[in-house]
Amino acid sequence: QVQLQESGPGLVKPSETLSLTCTVSGGSISSYYWSWVRQSPGKGLEWIGYIYYSGSTNYNPSLKSRVTISVDTSKNQFSLRLSSVTAADTAVYFCARYYGSGSFLDYWGQGTVVTVSS
Amino acid sequence: EIVMTQSPDTLSVSPGERATLSCRASQSVSSNLAWYQQKPGQAPRLLIYGASTRATGIPARFSGSGSGTEFTLTISSLQSEDFAVYYCQQYSNWLRTFGQGTKVEIK
Repeated sequence: QVQLQESGPGLVKPSETLSLTCTVSGGSISSYYWSWVRQSPGKGLEWIGYIYYSGSTNYNPSLKSRVTISVDTSKNQFSLRLSSVTAADTAVYFCARYYGSGSFLDYWGQGTVVTVSS
Repeated sequence: EIVMTQSPDTLSVSPGERATLSCRASQSVSSNLAWYQQKPGQAPRLLIYGASTRATGIPARFSGSGSGTEFTLTISSLQSEDFAVYYCQQYSNWLRTFGQGTKVEIK
């Protein structure tokens, strides 16, 4: 059974960079697309972007200038960096796996709360 | 960007009754549509993909239908564990987009 676990600081200061890592267990990171999705308090789901295990990426245009997703196949991990954060970036951040060629999300992490505040 | 609009925002249903949730796409997504269920404090769970195929382990009381721009998720007889928020998501366009969600609450 594939399991995903997010990790990283729960509090980030405004203007700094948010960094999260997703560790995949129970399966290989290879041959799949992997994604980050966030959910602001009381709001719906926002797709941030995805990465293929080979390293190719695609990002939500609304965040593209601030987002970097990377992968480390040797550690079975992928990561999210979001720069110049503001209070609007306060959210629960989920990592998830795409089924097949990047279609729908079949496995999700439990989510991690990130608060942007000084 | 393909905009996904769900209706209603909130659906009040009694246990044992049928619930019908709608999702509309701003342009055709063919059958490239998924439905997810999310309970408070939990991650979304995949229910339906390909507009009508149940994911592994999903009870038969959940069914999906539609294609193009109009989609429906039906829960035939609501159980207590089905009260949650439901999201649709299109994967026709590289910019994956979700609907705003429909909350199914106890009447």
